[in-house]
Amino acid sequence: NAGVMQNPRHLVRRRGQEARLRCSPMKGHSHVYWYRQLPEEGLKFMVYLQKENIIDESGMPKERFSAEFPKEGPSILRIQQVVRGDSAAYFCASSPLPTSGGFTDTQYFGPGTRLTVL
Amino acid sequence: DAKTTQPPSMDCAEGRAANLPCNHSTISGNEYVYWYRQIHSQGPQYIIHGLKNNETNEMASLIITEDRKSSTLILPHATLRDTAVYYCIAIVGAGGGATNKLIFGTGTLLAVQP
Repeated sequence: NAGVMQNPRHLVRRRGQEARLRCSPMKGHSHVYWYRQLPEEGLKFMVYLQKENIIDESGMPKERFSAEFPKEGPSILRIQQVVRGDSAAYFCASSPLPTSGGFTDTQYFGPGTRLTVL
Repeated sequence: DAKTTQPPSMDCAEGRAANLPCNHSTISGNEYVYWYRQIHSQGPQYIIHGLKNNETNEMASLIITEDRKSSTLILPHATLRDTAVYYCIAIVGAGGGATNKLIFGTGTLLAVQP
């Protein structure tokens, strides 16, 4: 059973370009979370999505950042007009649909995408 | 979600048990205690979680006090590969209406010494 997959693992962009980060959840998981880790800092929640729905985007910067999780295909975190401050590691996590009578919201993380903005 | 407090760092000799404490004095009845770790620059790795009872899996044991105000993660035989930052997180369980976003603190840097 493959884990959470993220690609690319490393991404280099120049200021003003767009960055697209992809996340394929574990098989059977329908919840996706994105987190960001700035250099020498802790992980910060960005957004929580279910298929075709954004559930919680309270951690997303108000401008330039967007996320989607379409019915088919991976979840995409898109950063437009990148700036040097966007340089960070971006982690995706997935969890299964909660089942009644049990707690199944354990989040499993991918290896991350390291974005470097020149 | 309840705030958790952990020591910033700990050392442990290789082959010995590592006991990592966590305080969560404001935890509510429907909040679980989760432990993750992050080995340098890698994605966080799930270790274990519990609500009231002590839990054990192939990686670790979790001891939760009866009043649930604190817990201890135990790695029974630490190896050099267990050197990582360990995070203790309190989070509402499924059906609680929360979005289950994980709030990472600064964690405990466990350094396993040869």
